[in-house]
Amino acid sequence: EPEVTQTPSHQVTQMGQEVILRCVPISNHLYFYWYRQILGQKVEFLVSFYNNEISEKSEIFDDQFSVERPDGSNFTLKIRSTKLEDSAMYFCASGGTGKQPQHFGDGTRLSIL
Amino acid sequence: AQSVTQLDSQVPVFEEAPVELRCNYSSSVSVYLFWYVQYPNQGLQLLLKYLSGSTLVESINGFEAEFNKSQTSFHLRKPSVHISDTAEYFCAVRAHSGGYQKVTFGTGTKLQVIP
Repeated sequence: EPEVTQTPSHQVTQMGQEVILRCVPISNHLYFYWYRQILGQKVEFLVSFYNNEISEKSEIFDDQFSVERPDGSNFTLKIRSTKLEDSAMYFCASGGTGKQPQHFGDGTRLSIL
Repeated sequence: AQSVTQLDSQVPVFEEAPVELRCNYSSSVSVYLFWYVQYPNQGLQLLLKYLSGSTLVESINGFEAEFNKSQTSFHLRKPSVHISDTAEYFCAVRAHSGGYQKVTFGTGTKLQVIP
């Protein structure tokens, strides 16, 4: 079964540095998402992306965050200047149309020092 | 907007005993319902889904969930749990749509199966 893959599995970064999290969605999916899970808390929606633009974003997704689909396969989340509170597990998801559920990657654990 | 409530943050249960993980939701529109499972140090895996049709849905590993529209519930059950079922279970909803729609998750229930 096709999978959503995320790299790296664990990223350690100094506070204030830029970080890029990468995702390869399922190839025939059209909708892409980022979620995050702070340790011990629930999974929260960050942003959805369709047709090369943001469809919806949450209040968490401020100006420090950006998403991009630089080529036909990758989907990236960039945090420009990381803060301690950005430490979390970040999940990428992709979905088809209609009733198809979203498929999640295994996540990238981001640790900000 | 949608919200999901999982009242039980942790559920300990003995191996081979039955278990029910509760989930209630609220939404102003029709929704699809999901259960995701997260094993320790792993990502989110879709366990089962309710999209339409029969209100009772089953997974391949013995879990089942029943959609109850009047009670706005989607409780997850298993008649006999195994040690390998130890994980965190997230109930989630997504609005009906032909296109994108974010998934709204509950806070999760940690199922601990005791030998």
